Formats: sequence, C-alpha cells, structure tokens
Amino acid sequence: GAVVSQHPSWVICKSGTSVKIECRSLDFQATTMFWYRQFPKQSLMLMATSNEGSKATYEQGVEKDKFLINHASLTLSTLTVTSAHPEDSSFYICSAAGTSGDQNIQYFGAGTRLSVL
Amino acid sequence: AQTVTQSQPEMSVQEAETVTLSCTYDTSESNYYLFWYKQPPSRQMILVIRQEAYKQQNATENRFSVNFQKAAKSFSLKISDSQLGDTAMYFCAFMKPFSGNTPLVFGKGTRLSVIA
Repeated sequence: GAVVSQHPSWVICKSGTSVKIECRSLDFQATTMFWYRQFPKQSLMLMATSNEGSKATYEQGVEKDKFLINHASLTLSTLTVTSAHPEDSSFYICSAAGTSGDQNIQYFGAGTRLSVL
Repeated sequence: AQTVTQSQPEMSVQEAETVTLSCTYDTSESNYYLFWYKQPPSRQMILVIRQEAYKQQNATENRFSVNFQKAAKSFSLKISDSQLGDTAMYFCAFMKPFSGNTPLVFGKGTRLSVIA
C-alpha cells in the first residue's frame, strides 16, 4: 500500500513556542490531506481538510490561527501549532488520499505526539 | 450528516477464537464506503478491510471478514483465529465517494484484547 510519512513522531516544546508537523506522501501524489487530533483513549477528531494549492477547510471549533495548515505541493502538507499551550498537547495524525488509482482509500501517517510544557 | 456508532467500548477474546465487533451507521447516501481500521499500541492506523456499499458481497481479507447489511445500516467485523497481534483499538469508519474533500467519519472505537 501507499506510504505516508509523518514527522516528527514526538515533540516536546515550551509553552508559547510554535511547532511544525510534516506529512508527506512518499510514493503517490495526494490531492487531499486530512489532519486529525486524538485524545487518549478516544477516537480521531477531524481538524481540517487540506487541498493542494488552496486554503484548508477547518472544522467547527478549530482555531484557524492556532493550527496553520499549508499544502504547498502534492506530496507535502504541514500543520503548525502556533503559540502552543499545554492544552494543545495531544496526538496529531495526518492522512492522504491519492490523485490516481483508488482515491477511495486514505493512508495514515504514524502520528505525532505533542507535549507542551 | 453521517454518524457511526460502535456500541462495544471493550471486548476480549481467547487466542484462536472468533470475535465479532459491531458497527452501525446512519446516512442518507446511497453509495459510500465503509472501513475497519486497526490502531495497535504503536498508534499507527492500519486499514483492515473496506466495503463498497454498492457491492452485495461481503469483503474478506484473510482472517478478517465483514457482515454488511445495507438495509439495517450495519457493518460488523469478524476476526477468526484471533492472534495476540490483533490486540488493538478498532475503528469503524464511513466515507462518501471521494470528491476532493471527503473525510472519514469514525466511530468511537472498540478496544479488543486477545488473551493467551
């Protein structure tokens, strides 16, 4: 199956700093990438949908200015958590859907554990 | 809006036995996709099986099979010959056919423990 690389896998940062998480499709082009947040022992919550070359669509309740999403190419989307605070600590997961072949499968990155001190 | 319900927060099964995880969903769409994803302790989401709503035949992948009842909006996962490596969270998910911005809608998950 297709491979989605997510980096870093774990990041610890101080409160007030910004953190960037990268999501790359390694062997396919991804028209659309999705960003999810997962709290401990809970399901995945969609944060935003990212389409290459256009602005991301955020879900209700997700702060656009706090969670900046950029999808500058067909293989890379980034999520930047700006001015991070302890309540932003969570597990963030990206997924990608391809531009060719079977577009009705999403492939997931391994996730990023963010800890804000 | 679509909703996915998994009514079993936790389940356990003896190794080599069979277990069935339940999932129901609500939608007004006639064509869609249903998925079971596995999330082991590593937290990597792994696709287990996919079912296309317009296909009547139930999907099968090795030890994993589904019972898809479209009229009842039910989509259960059967795991045969359970193995210790099957221990994980299992999420049922719904997706409309891809149109450029079609996210997955997840259930709350079922935590499965396979006991030796």
